[in-house]
Amino acid sequence: IAGITQAPTSQILAAGRRMTLRCTQDMRHNAMYWYRQDLGLGLRLIHYSNTAGTTGKGEVPDGYSVSRANTDDFPLTLASAVPSQTSVYFCASSRQGESSYNEQFFGPGTRLTVL
Amino acid sequence: GENVEQHPSTLSVQEGDSAVIKCTYSDSASNYFPWYKQELGKGPQLIIDIRSNVGEKKDQRIAVTLNKTAKHFSLHITETQPEDSAVYFCAATNSGYSTLTFGKGTMLLVSP
Repeated sequence: IAGITQAPTSQILAAGRRMTLRCTQDMRHNAMYWYRQDLGLGLRLIHYSNTAGTTGKGEVPDGYSVSRANTDDFPLTLASAVPSQTSVYFCASSRQGESSYNEQFFGPGTRLTVL
Repeated sequence: GENVEQHPSTLSVQEGDSAVIKCTYSDSASNYFPWYKQELGKGPQLIIDIRSNVGEKKDQRIAVTLNKTAKHFSLHITETQPEDSAVYFCAATNSGYSTLTFGKGTMLLVSP
């Protein structure tokens, strides 16, 4: 059982380029999330999806887009990367529900550097 | 929306000492408070959580306390060990269908 996988592990990207970070989970969780982690700022939610076919904006959505075509995959796209998007990106998933209280399982992260 | 404040940002202790990390939240409707541990180079992992219908929960060397009136909750680690060194995040939410709001994290360093 892999849990959550993210790809790539790390990437150096030129400003202005398009980049898609991949995230796949095999736990059949209905909810998935993308966070960015920056020193001193903690974990900030970018986008989330409560179920396949739906997405929502988090705290810092500008410059990012997501899609949720199926339960397992939740890619994050940077349409035109900027240096301020240099960060470590974490994907997470959870089984949302009235009694599940939203325990989130995190992937290993993608370290992205935009030059 | 919810706002979670976490203190301190860094905490250094000697092995065997206790460590306490404190968080406050703003939304009185919040009813679930998890704590995550992030080891170097890895994603955060849930270590303990507490729901609003209890005031304290223990799991071996770690415990969490909740004061709903004051809207704060704390993580207590006793008999700290070097492997406890990590970044710890608190979080809060008001529903199983809602997203978590995280604190900014505490870097705990346990010296041998």
